[in-house]
Amino acid sequence: QKEVEQDPGPLSVPEGAIVSLNCTYSNSAFQYFMWYRQYSRKGPELLMYTYSSGNKEDGRFTAQVDKSSKYISLFIRDSQPSDSATYLCARGANFGNEKLTFGTGTRLTIIP
Amino acid sequence: EPEVTQTPSHQVTQMGQEVILRCVPISNHLYFYWYRQILGQKVEFLVSFYNNEISEKSEIFDDQFSVERPDGSNFTLKIRSTKLEDSAMYFCASRGDSFWVFGSGTQLSVL
Repeated sequence: QKEVEQDPGPLSVPEGAIVSLNCTYSNSAFQYFMWYRQYSRKGPELLMYTYSSGNKEDGRFTAQVDKSSKYISLFIRDSQPSDSATYLCARGANFGNEKLTFGTGTRLTIIP
Repeated sequence: EPEVTQTPSHQVTQMGQEVILRCVPISNHLYFYWYRQILGQKVEFLVSFYNNEISEKSEIFDDQFSVERPDGSNFTLKIRSTKLEDSAMYFCASRGDSFWVFGSGTQLSVL
């Protein structure tokens, strides 16, 4: 069983729509759940992180974790063409030199 | 804002040649990583490095790969004898007491 599973898409939505991106994970031992954004041929850039179950909001972005169902979501409100990128969910334990494990990424296109 | 710097941005090499990919992590970070991403595929962990030694490595990181922190600032990934399937984007990352910060990557093309 893969540690982090993510629908690869691609996903295309019109500008202004609400976007929902989802991941599931298999191991309950991990404390941090992150969303990275990756533009074409660039490195992953941290977008949001959550430590516990519930919602975390930052501007147009909301990250949600449901530890009981091992489900991670990212919502983007009022989507913009500049949001077009690949979104990677990741999990990691915040101790020592633990590695980050990524999902496959969902390629998102916002259509003007 | 501090950033992880990788050089070169592009590297083209012939199969069987040695390549060294270079990274300058964020100065007060203690944990260092290499990841790779084959075109169209997921970002995969290669190796983690702490206190001048490898902490963990993946199955991909075989005897052809090595890492080094030669001078306290640079962090390098060496591929001894490149294969066609080593063609990928290689990302360096570092971490302090917070989150993993990635560089912009080196695109390695093996011909």
